[in-house]
Amino acid sequence: QITLKESGPTLVRPTQTLTLTCTFSGFSLSTSGVGVGWIRQPPGKALEWLGLIYWDGDDRYNPSQKSRITITKDTSKDQVVLIMTNVDPVDTGTYYCAQRRSNRFDTWGQGTLVTVSS
Amino acid sequence: QSALTQPASVSGSPGQSITISCTGTSSDVGFYDHVSWFQQPPGNPPRLIIYDVFYRPSGVSNRFSGSKSGSTASLTISGVQAEDEGDYYCSSPSTSTTLVVFGGGTKLTVL
Repeated sequence: QITLKESGPTLVRPTQTLTLTCTFSGFSLSTSGVGVGWIRQPPGKALEWLGLIYWDGDDRYNPSQKSRITITKDTSKDQVVLIMTNVDPVDTGTYYCAQRRSNRFDTWGQGTLVTVSS
Repeated sequence: QSALTQPASVSGSPGQSITISCTGTSSDVGFYDHVSWFQQPPGNPPRLIIYDVFYRPSGVSNRFSGSKSGSTASLTISGVQAEDEGDYYCSSPSTSTTLVVFGGGTKLTVL
């Protein structure tokens, strides 16, 4: 059974750096073709793809966020980390991680709600 | 503004069939046969219900079906039920620098 779970702070101050961790089980991020992506959803709004990291370390980002986002992986811990710098209230929303394979997000975590507010 | 265009809302009575469209461009939906559809019940994460245009993951009801024509993909729910209420999103890879694009979502109401 594949599971993913996001963890991190629920409240972040504007201009601070947000760090979220995705801990997964049931698959290995060293398996060819596998990736983990981050997707966010502002309250009441649509999904927005943020970025991806693949089994070989290749990382890709949404150009609208590329300057602020870094995604790393720790294969030994089965974790993927999202780092977002200089957050703003518009970054408030639910952040999901999801397994990516064969051009689809197969399995999603439950999501974690992050509020950016002073 | 989302890259893929979906109707904001659709509705239907129990037992009816409804269709949700997802319109993209020749850089995404029109280029790839990798359109996915996700169901998101209120307060829950998205769940993959269709991938590669028309394939269903194990455990997904065969009332859900997908298709594509040109740059428009469609999700059809046959015999809609109350439990189908929620938001539905389409997604596609893209040849643009935004490698993954989503639709704006469609809220399904069962009357």
